[in-house]
Amino acid sequence: GEEVAQTPKHLVRGEGQKAKLYCAPIKGHSYVFWYQQVLKNEFKFLISFQNENVFDETGMPKERFSAKCLPNSPCSLEIQATKLEDSAVYFCASSQFLNTEAFFGQGTRLTVV
Amino acid sequence: GQQLNQSPQSMFIQEGEDVSMNCTSSSIFNTWLWYKQEPGEGPVLLIALYKAGELTSNGRLTAQFGITRKDSFLNISASIPSDVGIYFCAGSTNTGNQFYFGTGTSLTVIP
Repeated sequence: GEEVAQTPKHLVRGEGQKAKLYCAPIKGHSYVFWYQQVLKNEFKFLISFQNENVFDETGMPKERFSAKCLPNSPCSLEIQATKLEDSAVYFCASSQFLNTEAFFGQGTRLTVV
Repeated sequence: GQQLNQSPQSMFIQEGEDVSMNCTSSSIFNTWLWYKQEPGEGPVLLIALYKAGELTSNGRLTAQFGITRKDSFLNISASIPSDVGIYFCAGSTNTGNQFYFGTGTSLTVIP
């Protein structure tokens, strides 16, 4: 597609439940980035992919967060056993080449209650 | 990680005025990007910069890649009410493994 598509737009989970977010990058883009945005507008980097390979996962809370980008499927970000502090908007972005313009999706707002 | 300092944090200006904001990093960057974000929306890319000293325009917006490669500037000329939003800078080093974001400049335009 011509834009980054994120689903769902909103997700509500009880504390301890699993949450799974999806991102379809722009067709032909090789790089995918996941960010978490909290109330202070800060963008916290989580993970990046080069095609289906993890590029940088230094921002991932590894105990509960995992992510995948498999061929011919949307990328996914999964949070096991959600906590209240996971409430945020999760953004996905894609870029065609290394160090080039990155385009963002509309985000998924996760609310943990 | 890299620290991006973006200033000012917020601006309240009259319609028609020009706006300037900037970002500085602690490391040399290969790419600078400028985004605008409105409530409930994702960041929208405004301008991308790839070379030190590069000056690029997009309508009333002009951005520059600083010659030290550690800073970037965004100017908005003749502001209008629809310019309201939060503007973010973002940059990446030569590894390109992530984009580092500034803390945002909140712009309010008073008609």
